Amino acid sequence: GAGVSQTPSNKVTEKGKYVELRCDPISGHTALYWYRQSLGQGPEFLIYFQGTGAADDSGLPNDRFFAVRPEGSVSTLKIQRTERGDSAVYLCASSLGVSSYNEQFFGPGTRLTVL
Amino acid sequence: DAKTTQPNSMESNEEEPVHLPCNHSTISGTDYIHWYRQLPSQGPEYVIHGLTSNVNNRMASLAIAEDRKSSTLILHRATLRDAAVYYCILLTGGGNKLTFGTGTQLKVEL
Repeated sequence: GAGVSQTPSNKVTEKGKYVELRCDPISGHTALYWYRQSLGQGPEFLIYFQGTGAADDSGLPNDRFFAVRPEGSVSTLKIQRTERGDSAVYLCASSLGVSSYNEQFFGPGTRLTVL
Repeated sequence: DAKTTQPNSMESNEEEPVHLPCNHSTISGTDYIHWYRQLPSQGPEYVIHGLTSNVNNRMASLAIAEDRKSSTLILHRATLRDAAVYYCILLTGGGNKLTFGTGTQLKVEL
């Protein structure tokens, strides 16, 4: 079946611009996660949703980052006033539930480059 | 979350078994041990998880020490497609956000 999809696959923007990154989770998965991965590092947790609500946003680095999931399916990660340090691969994952034994299914990521 | 320690890199020959170690001496009784791997230019992929007993699935086996302070991911016959970064992660009971370390880079040679 269809896995997690993310669009765009690549995004190049200029410092100070606004960007939106989209994630389509696996159908029926109630939990959705955002991570970001800098070069040579493991992925870093940003935020997760259980249904429509953000259950844990402790990983968002500052208030320029915001994410929504208005209908409990598709999610959008929004970054305002982008900085060169925001350049990374942004990964989305979904899972059936939020228990410690639920595996997370990852998308291919969006590579964001801020010039 | 409790911390895990893994070697930075390991090498294997194709068709041979690979044992990837992970130390987690501060593990608590409710922590699940999860393994994910990440192939080049792809998102992470779930491999296996366990709590106390050894586990097997189509991809790998997970051997958990009796005191749970360490575990070993076993790939029974490594192939070139298994070359990836392997992450050992602990999830606290009821927890869900994955805390990735730097993992083990597995190189597989012909």
